[in-house]
Amino acid sequence: SQQGEEDPQALSIQEGENATMNCSYKTSINNLQWYRQNSGRGLVHLILIRSNEREKHSGRLRVTLDTSKKSSSLLITASRAADTASYFCATDKEDDKIIFGKGTRLHILP
Amino acid sequence: DTAVSQTPKYLVTQMGNDKSIKCEQNLGHDTMYWYKQDSKKFLKIMFSYNNKELIINETVPNRFSPKSPDKAHLNLHINSLELGDSAVYFCASSQFPGQGDEKLFFGSGTQLSVL
Repeated sequence: SQQGEEDPQALSIQEGENATMNCSYKTSINNLQWYRQNSGRGLVHLILIRSNEREKHSGRLRVTLDTSKKSSSLLITASRAADTASYFCATDKEDDKIIFGKGTRLHILP
Repeated sequence: DTAVSQTPKYLVTQMGNDKSIKCEQNLGHDTMYWYKQDSKKFLKIMFSYNNKELIINETVPNRFSPKSPDKAHLNLHINSLELGDSAVYFCASSQFPGQGDEKLFFGSGTQLSVL
């Protein structure tokens, strides 16, 4: 019962550039979250945006949410080598399950 | 000081064996989860417990049996292991969903390899 789907599946950019990842989902949500997963590690929560919010910032991260299009985007500005990771969006469903997308693999080139 | 810890980190075993993965959280959270991440990095929820009670049970074979002795622990026992069970299993915890803080805290994962 996959809910979120990230796009693109993989992204390679030069260090210092901005990285944008998108997430689309199917049913109505209460909130949407973004997580980062470094290779061989568990997921780490980055940011949560509620359904009544349109944009949220945290450091170099900017998340937008468009509930009419059922989509969200995660922008990482001034990318660094340490940003190389997989990024997942997660949405809550009516039954309180938190469902993850398949992730975007981001690779920052030196 | 690890918030969510699971053991072992690696588990290599033969088909047909029975194995357990343990998880503990020291965050005082009410809810704990098991997720399975396959080779394509797809993360799928398996179980969720709130205060020792099962609240989510996805379509998981009966060979998988979670056990929660108290709200800080959620163990996963797997009987008669099959090749398809090879994956990384993640434990996570959170406050109870719907209380405004659904952020998940994950353990570092257990990589299970069934030979």
